[in-house]
Amino acid sequence: GAVVSQHPSWVICKSGTSVKIECRSLDFQATTMFWYRQFPKQSLMLMATSNEGSKATYEQGVEKDKFLINHASLTLSTLTVTSAHPEDSSFYICSAQTGRGYGYTFGSGTRLTVV
Amino acid sequence: DAKTTQPPSMDCAEGRAANLPCNHSTISGNEYVYWYRQIHSQGPQYIIHGLKNNETNEMASLIITEDRKSSTLILPHATLRDTAVYYCIVPDDMRFGAGTRLTVKP
Repeated sequence: GAVVSQHPSWVICKSGTSVKIECRSLDFQATTMFWYRQFPKQSLMLMATSNEGSKATYEQGVEKDKFLINHASLTLSTLTVTSAHPEDSSFYICSAQTGRGYGYTFGSGTRLTVV
Repeated sequence: DAKTTQPPSMDCAEGRAANLPCNHSTISGNEYVYWYRQIHSQGPQYIIHGLKNNETNEMASLIITEDRKSSTLILPHATLRDTAVYYCIVPDDMRFGAGTRLTVKP
């Protein structure tokens, strides 16, 4: 139980375009979701915390106008990377609070490559 | 900054127990400690969590010190598939430290 589905699993886009990543809780309602970015050989870096129906809270140094987060329902949160540039290439991971014994469940991640 | 600190790397022989320590000296009284592991290019996988009692499940055991300032994850019989980066986190923070890269060797 407590599955989070994240897609796409990988995406390649041209510089200057926008990319949307979806994170869905399949068998539970997630009032809180988290978005992370991970560069090679580094740990997960928390980007923002999103709560259903309200604006996301961004970590210091994360541009909220560039990384748009929408958490419009209890089962879906999206991260849109706007005007992507090669330096935005990274592994993006979402997580949701399950409210069950598993605590927090993570998506399988999205590998973004901007060319 | 993350509330947890872990050694950067550890090696373990296949079939032996792997003991991974974590310091969380600033943890508050009602905060749980969670352990996850991440295999290359995948999302973190839940392993186990605890508050103050020792816990055991089909994957691992978790030993928490009486003062709750540290804990140890135990993989009783490590296999090559247990090679991964292991993270302990305090969920109220949800920030990850560097984790421990465990390498299980044949």
